[in-house]
Amino acid sequence: GEDVEQSLFLSVREGDSSVINCTYTDSSSTYLYWYKQEPGAGLQLLTYIFSNMDMKQDQRLTVLLNKKDKHLSLRIADTQTGDSAIYFCAEDQGGKLIFGQGTELSVKP
Amino acid sequence: DARVTQTPRHKVTEMGQEVTMRCQPILGHNTVFWYRQTMMQGLELLAYFRNRAPLDDSGMPKDRFSAEMPDATLATLKIQPSEPRDSAVYFCASGLARTGSSSYNEQFFGPGTRLTVL
Repeated sequence: GEDVEQSLFLSVREGDSSVINCTYTDSSSTYLYWYKQEPGAGLQLLTYIFSNMDMKQDQRLTVLLNKKDKHLSLRIADTQTGDSAIYFCAEDQGGKLIFGQGTELSVKP
Repeated sequence: DARVTQTPRHKVTEMGQEVTMRCQPILGHNTVFWYRQTMMQGLELLAYFRNRAPLDDSGMPKDRFSAEMPDATLATLKIQPSEPRDSAVYFCASGLARTGSSSYNEQFFGPGTRLTVL
Protein backbone atom coordinates (compact mmCIF):
# COMPACT_ATOMS: atom_id res chain seq x y z
CA GLY A 1 0.00 0.00 0.00
CA GLU A 2 0.92 3.67 -0.08
CA ASP A 3 0.43 4.41 3.60
CA VAL A 4 2.75 4.20 6.57
CA GLU A 5 0.88 1.92 8.93
CA GLN A 6 0.81 1.53 12.69
CA SER A 7 -1.52 -0.07 15.13
CA LEU A 8 -3.68 2.53 16.85
CA PHE A 9 -3.49 1.58 20.51
CA LEU A 10 -1.15 -0.10 22.97
CA SER A 11 -1.66 -0.51 26.69
CA VAL A 12 1.08 -1.64 29.06
CA ARG A 13 1.77 -1.69 32.79
CA GLU A 14 4.34 0.61 34.32
CA GLY A 15 7.75 -1.08 34.33
CA ASP A 16 6.98 -3.34 31.38
CA SER A 17 8.50 -2.93 27.92
CA SER A 18 6.45 -1.37 25.13
CA VAL A 19 6.92 -2.27 21.50
CA ILE A 20 5.36 -0.08 18.84
CA ASN A 21 5.44 -1.37 15.28
CA CYS A 22 5.34 0.40 11.94
CA THR A 23 5.32 -0.66 8.31
CA TYR A 24 6.61 1.88 5.83
CA THR A 25 6.48 2.04 2.07
CA ASP A 26 9.47 3.83 0.57
CA SER A 27 12.54 1.61 0.45
CA SER A 28 14.65 4.62 -0.60
CA SER A 29 14.02 6.48 2.69
CA THR A 30 17.47 7.30 3.98
CA TYR A 31 16.26 8.02 7.48
CA LEU A 32 13.25 6.79 9.43
CA TYR A 33 11.92 8.69 12.40
CA TRP A 34 9.94 8.26 15.58
CA TYR A 35 8.05 11.27 16.92
CA LYS A 36 6.21 11.63 20.22
CA GLN A 37 3.11 13.77 20.77
CA GLU A 38 2.02 14.58 24.30
CA PRO A 39 -1.53 15.79 24.96
CA GLY A 40 -2.14 19.31 23.69
CA ALA A 41 1.29 19.62 22.10
CA GLY A 42 2.96 19.31 18.74
CA LEU A 43 5.10 16.38 17.66
CA GLN A 44 8.67 16.14 18.92
CA LEU A 45 11.42 14.04 17.45
CA LEU A 46 12.14 11.11 19.76
CA THR A 47 14.75 9.23 17.77
CA TYR A 48 15.70 8.25 14.24
CA ILE A 49 17.64 5.55 12.43
CA PHE A 50 19.80 5.67 9.33
CA SER A 51 18.69 3.13 6.77
CA ASN A 52 21.99 1.25 6.67
CA MET A 53 21.61 0.36 10.36
CA ASP A 54 19.42 -2.40 11.70
CA MET A 55 19.42 -1.29 15.32
CA LYS A 56 19.91 1.87 17.31
CA GLN A 57 19.87 2.15 21.09
CA ASP A 58 19.39 5.38 22.99
CA GLN A 59 18.95 4.95 26.75
CA ARG A 60 15.54 3.27 27.21
CA LEU A 61 14.75 3.38 23.50
CA THR A 62 15.68 0.71 20.97
CA VAL A 63 14.84 1.09 17.30
CA LEU A 64 14.88 -1.99 15.08
CA LEU A 65 14.81 -1.76 11.31
CA ASN A 66 14.07 -4.61 8.93
CA LYS A 67 14.59 -3.18 5.46
CA LYS A 68 13.61 -6.35 3.66
CA ASP A 69 10.14 -6.29 5.24
CA LYS A 70 10.02 -2.45 5.52
CA HIS A 71 9.32 -2.86 9.20
CA LEU A 72 10.34 -0.45 11.93
CA SER A 73 9.81 -0.87 15.65
CA LEU A 74 10.33 1.21 18.75
CA ARG A 75 10.92 -0.51 22.07
CA ILE A 76 10.65 1.46 25.29
CA ALA A 77 12.19 -0.34 28.25
CA ASP A 78 10.87 0.15 31.78
CA THR A 79 7.87 2.14 30.51
CA GLN A 80 6.80 4.98 32.78
CA THR A 81 3.50 6.85 33.11
CA GLY A 82 5.27 9.84 31.54
CA ASP A 83 5.70 7.81 28.38
CA SER A 84 1.93 7.91 27.78
CA ALA A 85 1.57 9.72 24.46
CA ILE A 86 0.96 9.15 20.78
CA TYR A 87 3.95 7.82 18.86
CA PHE A 88 4.34 8.40 15.13
CA CYS A 89 6.73 6.73 12.76
CA ALA A 90 7.69 8.62 9.60
CA GLU A 91 9.52 7.92 6.38
CA ASP A 92 11.28 10.51 4.26
CA GLN A 93 10.06 10.94 0.71
CA GLY A 94 12.34 13.50 -0.91
CA GLY A 95 12.42 15.86 2.06
CA LYS A 96 8.76 15.40 2.90
CA LEU A 97 7.98 13.25 5.94
CA ILE A 98 5.10 10.81 5.60
CA PHE A 99 3.66 9.96 8.99
CA GLY A 100 1.75 6.93 10.16
CA GLN A 101 -1.58 7.33 11.96
CA GLY A 102 0.09 7.24 15.34
CA THR A 103 -0.03 4.66 18.15
CA GLU A 104 -1.58 5.81 21.40
CA LEU A 105 0.42 4.34 24.26
CA SER A 106 -1.37 4.08 27.57
CA VAL A 107 0.72 3.22 30.64
CA LYS A 108 -1.17 1.91 33.66
CA PRO A 109 0.34 2.18 37.12
CA ASP B 1 15.65 28.48 22.65
CA ALA B 2 14.58 28.27 19.00
CA ARG B 3 10.98 27.19 18.53
CA VAL B 4 8.27 27.28 15.92
CA THR B 5 5.51 29.61 17.07
CA GLN B 6 1.90 29.60 15.93
CA THR B 7 -0.92 32.05 16.46
CA PRO B 8 -3.64 31.91 17.51
CA ARG B 9 -3.47 28.86 19.74
CA HIS B 10 -7.26 28.54 19.73
CA LYS B 11 -9.84 29.89 17.35
CA VAL B 12 -13.62 29.51 17.44
CA THR B 13 -15.50 30.90 14.48
CA GLU B 14 -18.76 30.56 12.64
CA MET B 15 -19.26 28.80 9.36
CA GLY B 16 -18.55 31.07 6.43
CA GLN B 17 -16.01 33.24 8.22
CA GLU B 18 -12.42 33.66 7.08
CA VAL B 19 -9.73 32.14 9.26
CA THR B 20 -6.04 33.01 9.09
CA MET B 21 -3.43 31.01 10.98
CA ARG B 22 0.13 32.20 11.30
CA CYS B 23 3.43 30.47 11.82
CA GLN B 24 6.91 31.74 12.54
CA PRO B 25 9.45 29.09 11.56
CA ILE B 26 12.79 28.68 13.29
CA LEU B 27 15.27 31.25 12.03
CA GLY B 28 17.48 29.75 9.34
CA HIS B 29 15.15 26.93 8.42
CA ASN B 30 14.32 26.73 4.73
CA THR B 31 11.32 24.39 4.74
CA VAL B 32 7.86 24.93 6.18
CA PHE B 33 5.04 22.41 6.41
CA TRP B 34 1.37 22.75 7.27
CA TYR B 35 -0.43 19.72 8.73
CA ARG B 36 -3.97 19.10 9.90
CA GLN B 37 -4.74 16.61 12.64
CA THR B 38 -8.16 15.09 13.32
CA MET B 39 -9.28 11.98 15.15
CA MET B 40 -10.69 10.49 11.97
CA GLN B 41 -7.93 11.27 9.47
CA GLY B 42 -4.88 11.48 11.69
CA LEU B 43 -2.06 13.77 10.56
CA GLU B 44 -2.44 15.06 7.00
CA LEU B 45 0.13 17.12 5.09
CA LEU B 46 -1.60 20.14 3.56
CA ALA B 47 1.27 22.15 2.06
CA TYR B 48 5.05 22.26 1.91
CA PHE B 49 7.36 25.18 1.12
CA ARG B 50 11.06 25.26 0.44
CA ASN B 51 12.88 28.58 0.32
CA ARG B 52 9.42 30.21 0.44
CA ALA B 53 8.29 28.53 -2.79
CA PRO B 54 5.35 26.11 -2.62
CA LEU B 55 6.54 22.63 -3.52
CA ASP B 56 3.49 20.56 -2.78
CA ASP B 57 -0.02 21.60 -1.84
CA SER B 58 -1.77 18.53 -3.16
CA GLY B 59 -3.21 17.76 0.26
CA MET B 60 -5.02 21.07 0.50
CA PRO B 61 -8.60 21.72 -0.66
CA LYS B 62 -7.83 24.39 -3.27
CA ASP B 63 -11.25 25.99 -3.37
CA ARG B 64 -11.11 27.32 0.17
CA PHE B 65 -7.58 26.92 1.50
CA SER B 66 -4.53 28.96 0.63
CA ALA B 67 -1.00 28.90 2.02
CA GLU B 68 1.64 31.58 1.55
CA MET B 69 5.02 32.70 2.82
CA PRO B 70 5.13 36.49 2.55
CA ASP B 71 8.66 36.39 3.92
CA ALA B 72 11.09 33.93 5.48
CA THR B 73 9.79 34.61 8.99
CA LEU B 74 6.08 34.15 8.34
CA ALA B 75 3.89 31.43 6.89
CA THR B 76 0.12 31.76 6.69
CA LEU B 77 -2.71 29.32 6.15
CA LYS B 78 -6.05 30.83 5.25
CA ILE B 79 -9.47 29.23 5.02
CA GLN B 80 -12.22 31.16 3.27
CA PRO B 81 -15.04 30.38 3.77
CA SER B 82 -14.61 28.06 6.74
CA GLU B 83 -16.84 25.02 7.25
CA PRO B 84 -17.52 22.82 10.30
CA ARG B 85 -15.53 19.98 8.71
CA ASP B 86 -12.42 22.20 8.88
CA SER B 87 -12.45 21.86 12.68
CA ALA B 88 -9.08 20.34 13.56
CA VAL B 89 -5.68 21.13 15.03
CA TYR B 90 -3.42 22.75 12.46
CA PHE B 91 0.31 22.33 12.92
CA CYS B 92 3.14 24.18 11.31
CA ALA B 93 6.60 22.61 11.20
CA SER B 94 9.92 23.87 9.91
CA GLY B 95 13.17 22.20 9.01
CA LEU B 96 16.50 22.60 7.30
CA ALA B 97 16.44 20.57 4.10
CA ARG B 98 19.84 19.35 2.99
CA THR B 99 20.55 18.29 -0.53
CA GLY B 100 22.11 14.97 -1.32
CA SER B 101 20.91 11.41 -1.17
CA SER B 102 21.63 10.95 2.53
CA SER B 103 19.84 14.02 3.79
CA TYR B 104 18.51 14.12 7.32
CA ASN B 105 15.24 16.01 7.48
CA GLU B 106 14.11 16.56 11.05
CA GLN B 107 11.00 18.68 11.34
CA PHE B 108 10.30 20.91 14.33
CA PHE B 109 6.64 21.32 15.15
CA GLY B 110 4.81 24.27 16.58
CA PRO B 111 2.20 23.87 19.34
CA GLY B 112 -0.70 23.98 16.87
CA THR B 113 -3.83 26.06 16.35
CA ARG B 114 -7.02 24.39 17.52
CA LEU B 115 -9.76 25.53 15.15
CA THR B 116 -13.45 25.06 15.87
CA VAL B 117 -15.94 26.05 13.19
CA LEU B 118 -19.52 26.19 14.44
